[in-house]
Amino acid sequence: SAVISQKPSRDICQRGTSLTIQCQVDSQVTMMFWYRQQPGQSLTLIATANQGSEATYESGFVIDKFPISRPNLTFSTLTVSNMSPEDSSIYLCSASKAEGYTFGSGTRLTVV
Amino acid sequence: GEDVEQSLFLSVREGDSSVINCTYTDSSSTYLYWYKQEPGAGLQLLTYIFSNMDMKQDQRLTVLLNKKDKHLSLRIADTQTGDSAIYFCAESSDYKLSFGAGTTVTVRA
Repeated sequence: SAVISQKPSRDICQRGTSLTIQCQVDSQVTMMFWYRQQPGQSLTLIATANQGSEATYESGFVIDKFPISRPNLTFSTLTVSNMSPEDSSIYLCSASKAEGYTFGSGTRLTVV
Repeated sequence: GEDVEQSLFLSVREGDSSVINCTYTDSSSTYLYWYKQEPGAGLQLLTYIFSNMDMKQDQRLTVLLNKKDKHLSLRIADTQTGDSAIYFCAESSDYKLSFGAGTTVTVRA
């Protein structure tokens, strides 16, 4: 199955700043996904990132807050912009392969 | 939208079998998955089942799918302390995953 390297693994950020999270997949994948997992909760899909087109955002998430890049078939970034304490969460990327969806190890973000 | 539900907690004695249940509403689901999340870690794919199957076994793991009732279960045989984690049920349709809230499994000695 695909292996995804995600970084940073954790960060503590000041409110009002932005953080960019990177995910690198060890093989080419068509679709990548970004999820948010708020403390003690399940995963919520933020957006689907396809190479060569704009990301598709789920209800409640907008591009200005969570800009996404997908420059090639093995890499994607998610930026959390103008952060507030409510953005404190774990952010995970995922890739779809024939054998299922694999996940990065997550980025634990704390906004102070 | 898709709705996936699972019980929140399960306590099991070491060596016993664990059974985690999940229900879903989307009849167009193609695959159903079980993921494991240990504290501070990402999600590990445990197993998955195609929607036209009713059972899949993989070592200590057995997945049962009742498509008519939209009910999925994961049985872990001979549960060990290393099995303590949160287990997420997920279904895929239209290339997206929808997750349940997760079942916290605690293994007691």
